[in-house]
Amino acid sequence: KAGVTQTPRYLIKTRGQQVTLSCSPISGHRSVSWYQQTPGQGLQFLFEYFSETQRNKGNFPGRFSGRQFSNSRSEMNVSTLELGDSALYLCASSWTRQGRNEKLFFGSGTQLSVL
Amino acid sequence: QKEVEQDPGPLSVPEGAIVSLNCTYSNSAFQYFMWYRQYSRKGPELLMYTYSSGNKEDGRFTAQVDKSSKYISLFIRDSQPSDSATYLCAMSGYNNNDMRFGAGTRLTVKP
Repeated sequence: KAGVTQTPRYLIKTRGQQVTLSCSPISGHRSVSWYQQTPGQGLQFLFEYFSETQRNKGNFPGRFSGRQFSNSRSEMNVSTLELGDSALYLCASSWTRQGRNEKLFFGSGTQLSVL
Repeated sequence: QKEVEQDPGPLSVPEGAIVSLNCTYSNSAFQYFMWYRQYSRKGPELLMYTYSSGNKEDGRFTAQVDKSSKYISLFIRDSQPSDSATYLCAMSGYNNNDMRFGAGTRLTVKP
């Protein structure tokens, strides 16, 4: 069974640009969550999607957005990139909503560098 | 004060040693406790998943939860070089829709 797939693996952007990251969850998983990981802040929750609806959102500015498609695949978008957005962006999938304490399965992440 | 505190290390041990990794937390609503292992340039991989207080063993790994002290531990017996990674603790409540992670402890097991 294929795991969580994230594309691309690496991205280099400049300040002010926007970026879109993609995540394909494990087959059958309906919940997708996004996390930002940095050396200083660790893993921080961005948002969770279930059945194409955003169910919960972390404490990030509106420049960070996402969506989920009918096949459970998800994208996240960051507009007007800042240097501080450089991070590893991780997607995690689970069978049901994260709020039901289902186990999370992570992808390998997208390493974003903002110059 | 962070909700979850974890010593980032680094921690270096010889092969075969017993490793002890720990986290403390402040939110008494946490009920589910997890340990993830993360290799360099990879996403976290779920190692242990426990509910409430008690011990859980899986091969060389043992997870302990002491809710009265708000303290969780992961023990690795007979550590191997392949155990070299960053170990993250994580926890959530009954109805929390997001999880809190520790900062991660970087472990190196030397042959």
